[in-house]
Amino acid sequence: LAKTTQPISMDSYEGQEVNITCSHNNIATNDYITWYQQFPSQGPRFIIQGYKTKVTNEVASLFIPADRKSSTLSLPRVSLSDTAVYYCLVGGPYSSNTGKLIFGQGTTLQVKP
Amino acid sequence: NAGVTQTPKFQVLKTGQSMTLQCAQDMNHNSMYWYRQDPGMGLRLIYYSASEGTTDKGEVPNGYNVSRLNKREFSLRLESAAPSQTSVYFCASKNSQVPYEQYFGPGTRLTVT
Repeated sequence: LAKTTQPISMDSYEGQEVNITCSHNNIATNDYITWYQQFPSQGPRFIIQGYKTKVTNEVASLFIPADRKSSTLSLPRVSLSDTAVYYCLVGGPYSSNTGKLIFGQGTTLQVKP
Repeated sequence: NAGVTQTPKFQVLKTGQSMTLQCAQDMNHNSMYWYRQDPGMGLRLIYYSASEGTTDKGEVPNGYNVSRLNKREFSLRLESAAPSQTSVYFCASKNSQVPYEQYFGPGTRLTVT
């Protein structure tokens, strides 16, 4: 599994757009990039997944440059309820099938009023 | 549709006691997983079951055993609890069609004194 590096913490204010960048310099050709969200005292929740270019769903957007060595999770107009830990994971079909997700420390996002 | 359920929510054990954590999913998923999460850290995989009738070790299997009772249920057993096993335990299941999209339960908070 590719190692990922992301900021330990970020602060934002309600209504702002938040971008969390994850570095994964040794990503392999078959690897996907996946983001999870975890609220306090809850299990992680899958947010979004991508392979290349841009992916958007009702929760977030994921931007992946052509070299795929980094990715950026974008949360539009955050609210207080978006305060959570965000994890970036990178891995291929083998680790997907075995469930061997490696969750690092993640990025703790604090949204202020 | 309850998703992934876990029992109990909280448990306190004395060193050397045994207990079983229960997990069930109603999404007809083939794969199920047990993770532990220590304070301020990401999740670590203990055991997983890619399909009914199979189980495999994850990153931190020592001190634990698992049983995939049927397609719905996957239990985690601590035979002789130790203080180092104080943690929050999460069960998850996975839709085989979507790489890396796992559904997590609410967790069991275990304290071993």
